[in-house]
Amino acid sequence: AQSVTQLGSHVSVSEGALVLLRCNYSSSVPPYLFWYVQYPNQGLQLLLKYTTGATLVKGINGFEAEFKKSETSFHLTKPSAHMSDAAEYFCAVSDGTSYDKVIFGPGTSLSVIP
Amino acid sequence: DSGVTQTPKHLITATGQRVTLRCSPRSGDLSVYWYQQSLDQGLQFLIQYYNGEERAKGNILERFSAQQFPDLHSELNLSSLELGDSALYFCASSVDLSNTIYFGEGSWLTVV
Repeated sequence: AQSVTQLGSHVSVSEGALVLLRCNYSSSVPPYLFWYVQYPNQGLQLLLKYTTGATLVKGINGFEAEFKKSETSFHLTKPSAHMSDAAEYFCAVSDGTSYDKVIFGPGTSLSVIP
Repeated sequence: DSGVTQTPKHLITATGQRVTLRCSPRSGDLSVYWYQQSLDQGLQFLIQYYNGEERAKGNILERFSAQQFPDLHSELNLSSLELGDSALYFCASSVDLSNTIYFGEGSWLTVV
């Protein structure tokens, strides 16, 4: 069975600073990995996903993530934080064969300080 | 706007009652997913349907049931409601089993 952990339930960064949100997963098979963002009072929106191929994945809004199999990690980064990045971020994993039962992490709330 | 439509957006009901949440997937999407989001449990997968058939089941209580109709819309039925059922219920859809899942804006359920 898959599982996801996100280190840090709350992360604060200054505007213009690097954003780093950590995600580690557990999976007995090659996983599909995702990052979703949830803005207040809205549904989840896909930022990026890794299925196969290139391990550095670029997503929307300047975010990217790198799949590191040896570290079972899929950390999300953005070089320069913007005020509009303040939101809840969820890492998710599926079993790599389909999108059945995509399992979400507990989420990380990102605050951006002016 | 993801294209996934959920109704109602907000619902307040009493314990012991039954409610139905409705979801219209994006045009052309065959797969529908239901998730529950609460402060203490986080985002929990409930159930998935694909082209009218149940595909996968997660942490869905026996008091809850769902179905996907021939026109592909889906309904989540919650019965014998308890205070702990208060949560945000998301519907999501995807074209098939190997594509991105798109989420609706959710239905807020408050049980009083």
